[in-house]
Amino acid sequence: AQKVTQAQTEISVVEKEDVTLDCVYETRDTTYYLFWYKQPPSGELVFLIRRNSFDEQNEISGRYSWNFQKSTSSFNFTITASQVVDSAVYFCALSPPDKLIFGTGTRLQVFP
Amino acid sequence: DVKVTQSSRYLVKRTGEKVFLECVQDMDHENMFWYRQDPGLGLRLIYFSYDVKMKEKGDIPEGYSVSREKKERFSLILESASTNQTSMYLCASTLEQGRTEAFFGQGTRLTVV
Repeated sequence: AQKVTQAQTEISVVEKEDVTLDCVYETRDTTYYLFWYKQPPSGELVFLIRRNSFDEQNEISGRYSWNFQKSTSSFNFTITASQVVDSAVYFCALSPPDKLIFGTGTRLQVFP
Repeated sequence: DVKVTQSSRYLVKRTGEKVFLECVQDMDHENMFWYRQDPGLGLRLIYFSYDVKMKEKGDIPEGYSVSREKKERFSLILESASTNQTSMYLCASTLEQGRTEAFFGQGTRLTVV
């Protein structure tokens, strides 16, 4: 079975706090891609990052970083020094060869 | 600017009506998808298509059908709308199967009364 689990339904933090969004996936495919998307209050999903199954290097982009660990089937997303503009629903997604499967999302609220 | 455009932002339909949701992309993408988004359930895949006139069932195809007569257009059809199909519907497209990021439309909020 192919599945993405985002166990955190909602997270609230105060500005400047660091926050980690968890993502655990299941697949039997050896080749697959993992993604993170952001859905701000306006509603349109925005792509953040893609990682293929052969590349376990962590990635940092500004205040965002991603930790991919095949051993635990996890692809976690950390926001450092969170800001109010980070408030959104974040989705993790898995792409085996033919589909794009999403988790249930984590709503992040950052308070000033 | 690349775009995925859904024909309506909001729709209200009556139970039993046949409903068409249209999606057009201008990026020459091969793959197109229809999802529905419900609170607490995330995005669930209804149907997808990786070529013109090709379609594949997703995880929740019951009550829906699709049409892809041209590469740029992917239509979702509710044959006989029911109240449990009230939802946000999202269309997406990707360039390469499984490998590239998806581009999403702005969504259609459908209410069936």
